[in-house]
Amino acid sequence: ETGVTQSPTHLIKTRGQQVTLRCSSQSGHNTVSWYQQALGQGPQFIFQYYREEENGRGNFPPRFSGLQFPNYSSELNVNALELDDSALYLCASSLAGGLQETQYFGPGTRLLVL
Amino acid sequence: DQQVKQNSPSLSVQEGRISILNCDYTNSMFDYFLWYKKYPAEGPTFLISISSIKDKNEDGRFTVFLNKSAKHLSLHIVPSQPGDSAVYFCAAYLRRALTFGSGTRLQVQP
Repeated sequence: ETGVTQSPTHLIKTRGQQVTLRCSSQSGHNTVSWYQQALGQGPQFIFQYYREEENGRGNFPPRFSGLQFPNYSSELNVNALELDDSALYLCASSLAGGLQETQYFGPGTRLLVL
Repeated sequence: DQQVKQNSPSLSVQEGRISILNCDYTNSMFDYFLWYKKYPAEGPTFLISISSIKDKNEDGRFTVFLNKSAKHLSLHIVPSQPGDSAVYFCAAYLRRALTFGSGTRLQVQP
């Protein structure tokens, strides 16, 4: 069984640039969620994708957007990067089908915005 | 407004003793609770979960207790081992999203 993978592991960008992060879900999972973890805090929910559509969204501005592909992999795009976007970005996959879904996380992408 | 709180940023216990990690929440609509363990440079690893209709769930050395009236859950690790040293996050599930606490760093001393 293949776990959740993310790429790249680290990334450095400058303010105003755009970034794309990638995630492959665990085999057998059809739902992908993205979280942002700032230093010293717990992860914060950005959004979830199911059947290639956004399925739920947290309190993040529209410059955070995503995609899900037919193979259930996903991208997170962030436009007009700000210094506060520096964080660990975590992808989690799960199997939709019930009210309660355990989400399994990848290792994350650490983004630094200068 | 923090809906899930872990008020102890750190905890130190001796190997072989019990570790008790606590978590409080404010939203009574949460219907599923989870604990994750996180090592540096890794993503959170799922440990154990509990449905809001139960008050206890066990898995080996790990037991989670849920007190709905107090909006409180706890994770018990017995016996604690040095390999358990990590940051532990509690999380609550509602409408597809997990809401996390800020974590408790557990240090198990040999």
